[in-house]
Amino acid sequence: AQTVTQSQPEMSVQEAETVTLSCTYDTSESNYYLFWYKQPPSRQMILVIRQEAYKQQNATENRFSVNFQKAAKSFSLKISDSQLGDTAMYFCAFTIQGAQKLVFGQGTRLTINP
Amino acid sequence: GAGVSQTPSNKVTEKGKYVELRCDPISGHTALYWYRQSLGQGPEFLIYFQGTGAADDSGLPNDRFFAVRPEGSVSTLKIQRTERGDSAVYLCASSDSGSSYNEQFFGPGTRLTVL
Repeated sequence: AQTVTQSQPEMSVQEAETVTLSCTYDTSESNYYLFWYKQPPSRQMILVIRQEAYKQQNATENRFSVNFQKAAKSFSLKISDSQLGDTAMYFCAFTIQGAQKLVFGQGTRLTINP
Repeated sequence: GAGVSQTPSNKVTEKGKYVELRCDPISGHTALYWYRQSLGQGPEFLIYFQGTGAADDSGLPNDRFFAVRPEGSVSTLKIQRTERGDSAVYLCASSDSGSSYNEQFFGPGTRLTVL
């Protein structure tokens, strides 16, 4: 069975700081995909960034980047120049190639303070 | 364009009652997913539709839960004989194909409270 673990239930940083959210996963598959989703208080999950496991290059999307360590089964999210609007729950998720269901971690509540 | 919509946004019911939760996916999206999110947890997969058929229903917890998508668009999640443990936010998502890498677009969810 695939599992995703987020070991930081809550994090808090000052606006404009850089913050890194941790995620580890467990799978015996070699082809899979990893995602970070953001869930603001409105409850609507929004995709932040995604990574294909076969790609060694880390994905980046503007202020968001990942550190993908396949051997360690680690997929952390770095948010640079954090903004108040980044305040939300962040979920790491995983799916294997050929499957469609996402397996989510427990989430990290991130607060950006002014 | 319009995103995924879910109705109702909140539903309060009594233990033992039957409820239906509706999901309107993004127009043209062939894949539709239901997830359940309990308080303080990440979403858990329930069922996946490709077109009209349920391609994977391995996440449905028991036979009280059933979902349909008769015309390949709108989907309804049906829960019979509700229990207090069914209280959660039920999320629907859609994507434009069944590719594992495709972004799933989520709706705002229906918060179900079983008294």
